[in-house]
Amino acid sequence: DAGITQSPRHKVTETGTPVTLRCHQTENHRYMYWYRQDPGHGLRLIHYSYGVKDTDKGEVSDGYSVSRSKTEDFLLTLESATSSQTSVYFCAISNTGSNEQFFGPGTRLTVL
Amino acid sequence: TQLLEQSPQFLSIQEGENLTVYCNSSSVFSSLQWYRQEPGEGPVLLVTVVTGGEVKKLKRLTFQFGDARKDSSLHITAAQPGDTGLYLCAYRYNTDKLIFGTGTRLQVFP
Repeated sequence: DAGITQSPRHKVTETGTPVTLRCHQTENHRYMYWYRQDPGHGLRLIHYSYGVKDTDKGEVSDGYSVSRSKTEDFLLTLESATSSQTSVYFCAISNTGSNEQFFGPGTRLTVL
Repeated sequence: TQLLEQSPQFLSIQEGENLTVYCNSSSVFSSLQWYRQEPGEGPVLLVTVVTGGEVKKLKRLTFQFGDARKDSSLHITAAQPGDTGLYLCAYRYNTDKLIFGTGTRLQVFP
């Protein structure tokens, strides 16, 4: 299994508070991704990174920002959480981009 | 971004039954991937199909890519409780990104 961890695994927060989710990899993979998963929507890409300090937007990037200051860590920040951001968030890594991605265990975020 | 529609959305069956799930689009794809996500975990790649008409088998799972490369199917023979999970298809949007379908949630009862 690819070495991917996500923290925290569960979080409950209130509307309007900032939240940061962390993805950490030990595989030295070039690409890192943040997805959200909601019933009936499969997985939707939020942001991704193709190298240190290189990031790009996905399908549902509004309200989210990311940072990657070193190869192993990719942070997802919700500047001011809203109830519509209640979801399960998955991090993924890849050395080949869209040929195959390896997913972390997920973070369940509830915004009250 | 092209839409990948999966059907059925939900499927509940008894152990030993056969089933087929579908992944459809109006667009032509260079390849399609199938992932399985078990409850409480992240998705795991099962197979990639590349050639129109291609059939790949993974034990009791048979994957087919449509001749026109617009659709794909996954057939499970003699389903077992361990097959329970969410099945997702995905296509390569570009060299960096995958676009996932809506998913089929399968429950296999003993």
